[in-house]
Amino acid sequence: GAVVSQHPSRVICKSGTSVKIECRSLDFQATTMFWYRQFPKQSLMLMATSNEGSKATYEQGVEKDKFLINHASLTLSTLTVTSAHPEDSSFYICSARRLGPGNTEAFFGQGTRLTVV
Amino acid sequence: RKEVEQDPGPFNVPEGATVAFNCTYSNSASQSFFWYRQDCRKEPKLLMSVYSSGNEDGRFTAQLNRASQYISLLIRDSKLSDSATYLCVVNPYNNNDMRFGAGTRLTVKP
Repeated sequence: GAVVSQHPSRVICKSGTSVKIECRSLDFQATTMFWYRQFPKQSLMLMATSNEGSKATYEQGVEKDKFLINHASLTLSTLTVTSAHPEDSSFYICSARRLGPGNTEAFFGQGTRLTVV
Repeated sequence: RKEVEQDPGPFNVPEGATVAFNCTYSNSASQSFFWYRQDCRKEPKLLMSVYSSGNEDGRFTAQLNRASQYISLLIRDSKLSDSATYLCVVNPYNNNDMRFGAGTRLTVKP
């Protein structure tokens, strides 16, 4: 079946540094990928929609200059958390949905647990 | 009003019990509906899609009520391994996007 791979799975960084998270669709092309954030005991919150070859679409309240998204190919989207602060510590998950007839499943990356110290 | 609303629980049930979760959605034009399961510190995984006619997969039954804009998940004969958070997911705009409910935490106890 389709697989979405996310890397790294865990990262600890110092406050003020930037962190890049990669999301790859391994056996299908994804013109659109999604980035979610999940704080402890809360649900996934959509941060932005990554569009191949064009600008990402950000949800209200998400700073586009802080969370840089690049979707340079049909199988890769990256999320860069710039100038990270402790409040950015969270679980970040990407997803992609393989288009097709009927209710098609969304596949999720394994998630990246970011800790900013 | 949130796009997708769920009772966060927690639901604590004994093994063998039957438990039901409901979820309401705000966009009447929503096209696709799913139940996902998320284990602690893991990514969500598809449990089942929800079809207009209702569907069953073993001990799990999902139903959709478009008139009232809710979907449900019924788990029969609960197992310890069913303990997880169950996420109601709606595709509101007939595109790739999916919106999540807050999730319902289920704990099945011996």
